[in-house]
Amino acid sequence: GENVEQHPSTLSVQEGDSAVIKCTYSDSASNYFPWYKQELGKRPQLIIDIRSNVGEKKDQRIAVTLNKTAKHFSLHITETQPEDSAVYFCAASRGNQGGKLIFGQGTELSVKP
Amino acid sequence: NAGVTQTPKFRILKIGQSMTLQCTQDMNHNYMYWYRQDPGMGLKLIYYSVGAGITDKGEVPNGYNVSRSTTEDFPLRLELAAPSQTSVYFCASSPRGGVTFQETQYFGPGTRLLVL
Repeated sequence: GENVEQHPSTLSVQEGDSAVIKCTYSDSASNYFPWYKQELGKRPQLIIDIRSNVGEKKDQRIAVTLNKTAKHFSLHITETQPEDSAVYFCAASRGNQGGKLIFGQGTELSVKP
Repeated sequence: NAGVTQTPKFRILKIGQSMTLQCTQDMNHNYMYWYRQDPGMGLKLIYYSVGAGITDKGEVPNGYNVSRSTTEDFPLRLELAAPSQTSVYFCASSPRGGVTFQETQYFGPGTRLLVL
């Protein structure tokens, strides 16, 4: 079955710096890759997603890149702000399996003022 | 729209007890999911449903059961609770299908379960 590895597990940056979180997946048939942000004690919330027919997607300060050949995708956050501090999860799914998401282990991002 | 709602918010169970975690969505989504999140870990899929009357196992189904009699409700049943089931349980729904084929999963607020 699918396996998603996420790195790093913790990331500390200064406000205004960029942050990059990387994920690799094992199932070449996976075709949907969302990123979720989870604040302490709260539910996961989708921040950006990408499909396998697209190499890059951007939404203001957040971007995701996908390399299907290498089976990895990354989250890029520019101009980080303290409110970006949270745990970020990547996930992968195959379109023909009910949308089941396989999640990475999470990255705790800390943005220091 | 209330979105995805879950009850209870928090529960303490004794080993061997049973309980049902409730999940309801008012977005008319066909797809619904149950995940568990252990401390400091990612989410693991327990069960999912692609429509009323249809359910299937996820990554970690042992010790749980589900049913889906309506589009709105997707309860998760724990039989014979064990300490290993101490976790935060999240229900999610998705509008998958249709013209736009939107895959976003919308999560409920979670149920924190402690088994002692």
